[in-house]
Formats: sequence, C-alpha cells, structure tokens
Amino acid sequence: ETGVTQTPRHLVMGMTNKKSLKCEQHLGHNAMYWYKQSAKKPLELMFVYNFKEQTENNSVPSRFSPECPNSSHLFLHLHTLQPEDSALYLCASSQGTGQNSPLHFGNGTRLTVT
Amino acid sequence: AQSVTQLGSHVSVSEGALVLLRCNYSSSVPPYLFWYVQYPNQGLQLLLKYTSAATLVKGINGFEAEFKKSETSFHLTKPSAHMSDAAEYFCAVSGGLNTPLVFGKGTRLSVIA
Repeated sequence: ETGVTQTPRHLVMGMTNKKSLKCEQHLGHNAMYWYKQSAKKPLELMFVYNFKEQTENNSVPSRFSPECPNSSHLFLHLHTLQPEDSALYLCASSQGTGQNSPLHFGNGTRLTVT
Repeated sequence: AQSVTQLGSHVSVSEGALVLLRCNYSSSVPPYLFWYVQYPNQGLQLLLKYTSAATLVKGINGFEAEFKKSETSFHLTKPSAHMSDAAEYFCAVSGGLNTPLVFGKGTRLSVIA
C-alpha cells in the first residue's frame, strides 16, 4: 500500500480512442503531479496541482488533459494519442510544493498506444 | 536553474560489495537533495533526503549519502550490496521554493551473486 493508488495498471489504446487515467491519494496531501517515464529519459514533469489549482503545465500537448476535482483525486484524460506517447505514467503527491516536501509515488499506469 | 547529473546509467556490483552511485547537482539556491529508488513495475520510493542539517544522511535499507558542497555532489553508498538492492536509483534536486523536483536520468544497479 503506497498511499497513492493508480488505475488502471496497464492500458492499451488505439490512436483514436479516448481513455482516462485515475490517481487517488490517501495521505492528506495538498499537491498532486503527473510524470511521464520513458525508457532512457529523465522523468518528465507534466502537470502540477496545488490545492486543486494547476500551477504547472510543462508544455504538454493538448491531447493530454488533466483534471483535479479535489486534493485527493487526479485524472489524466487521453485522446488521439501517438505511439510515442507509450510510457509509464506516474502520479505523485506531496504535502506542499516546497523544497522540503518529498514526493510519494503511485505504481504507475503502463500505457501502450497502438 | 537546477540540474542533476548521475554518472553511469548502469552499475554492476557483486553481492556483499560496496555500492557507490554518483550524483552531481547544480543549483542557484541552497539545495535540497533526494535519492529515490524504483523497483520493477513500481513507482519511485524515497530513500533519503538532505535538507541542510547533517551532511551525512542515513536512509532506508542501509543506504546513506553525503552532501559535499565543495564538490556539488550527493553520492549514494551502501557498505554491502544485497540481491534485493537491484533497482533503478534516481537523484533529485529541489528547484527552489514552490518549484517541483528535478530528477536525474537514473542509474540501474545490478547485483551479481
């Protein structure tokens, strides 16, 4: 039990599909994040939400659309993805976004775009 | 701006041998530094963090790291490797107040029996 739960664990979708990734944290944290992890690349920060407000959008294509209805839940809506979007998508949370707030990660969703 | 360089994308050690994973950072402000570990099919887990207190930081699973400002380094060590230490290790530096962490590319540790 990591405190951060991501569903589904695996997802295969075609380029014309629409799907959503879900993240839920049970740690009482105020900040939530989406990261993309591709082979042989550093973790790429995609989005940051602090107290439900988006505070960072790291030049992510519009085919990725985040949603944060409350401090415990975070979604990533996907549509018309490309094969290069295949990756492990990690959700994380932290108490705040300050320097002394370690991230707590979920186990990720392994996405394959066909 | 902040950045992290992890030297060596893959390190292989024998069981019982010293583990040394290297991390150098660049930061325009006093840094907060972190090491995370990722086991197969899992997310990242915090190993230890440096927050400007003691320069030698002890973490979980017998790992420790030493902050050396003069060398801008934060290398991760463990005296004796176990098979269960095989994983990917990430060094990260804080990006300053209210700025998310910046991660290195990771170092994969293999432990040979």
